[in-house]
Amino acid sequence: AQTVTQSQPEMSVQEAETVTLSCTYDTSESDYYLFWYKQPPSRQMILVIRQEAYKQQNATENRFSVNFQKAAKSFSLKISDSQLGDAAMYFCAYRGTTSGTYKYIFGTGTRLKVLA
Amino acid sequence: DSGVTQTPKHLITATGQRVTLRCSPRSGDLSVYWYQQSLDQGLQFLIQYYNGEERAKGNILERFSAQQFPDLHSELNLSSLELGDSALYFCASSVAQLAPDTQYFGPGTRLTVL
Repeated sequence: AQTVTQSQPEMSVQEAETVTLSCTYDTSESDYYLFWYKQPPSRQMILVIRQEAYKQQNATENRFSVNFQKAAKSFSLKISDSQLGDAAMYFCAYRGTTSGTYKYIFGTGTRLKVLA
Repeated sequence: DSGVTQTPKHLITATGQRVTLRCSPRSGDLSVYWYQQSLDQGLQFLIQYYNGEERAKGNILERFSAQQFPDLHSELNLSSLELGDSALYFCASSVAQLAPDTQYFGPGTRLTVL
């Protein structure tokens, strides 16, 4: 079965600095998708970025980028020029592409604090 | 605003009771997903429907059931409620069943079981 692990329960970053959140996963599939979701205090789940496993190029969305290491099964999120509004829980998620694995599997989350 | 609506926003009830949570997906989305998030926990996938049919099942208790109606809205029924069922219940929708397109989440229903 697929698993997603976020080993950092909490991280802190100074405003305007860069922070990297870690995520590892386990799967026997060769094709799958990975996501980072943000959950601010409002509890709304917001998609931050998405990566297709078949793409070698790392996804980027403005200040957010990922470091996708397929062989190592690692999918970290880098937030550059951190802003106070980035403070939230961040969840890494996996979605397979073979029958029976269409469901999303979420990690336990990393709480990011941004210090002014 | 994701375009996914959930009602009610808050629900307080007693143990042993039954409640129904409602979700309306984004216009054009055929897939609906239900998740449970207990306090300070990650999201646990419960069940997925696609165009009215059940497509994937997660760790959903037998006391819980769901359905998707012809107009594509979905309802999650929780019965014989226990204290441990207190959680935030999210609904998400996406266009397709098979393609891993983006899931858009509703604001959630906070259930408190006393």
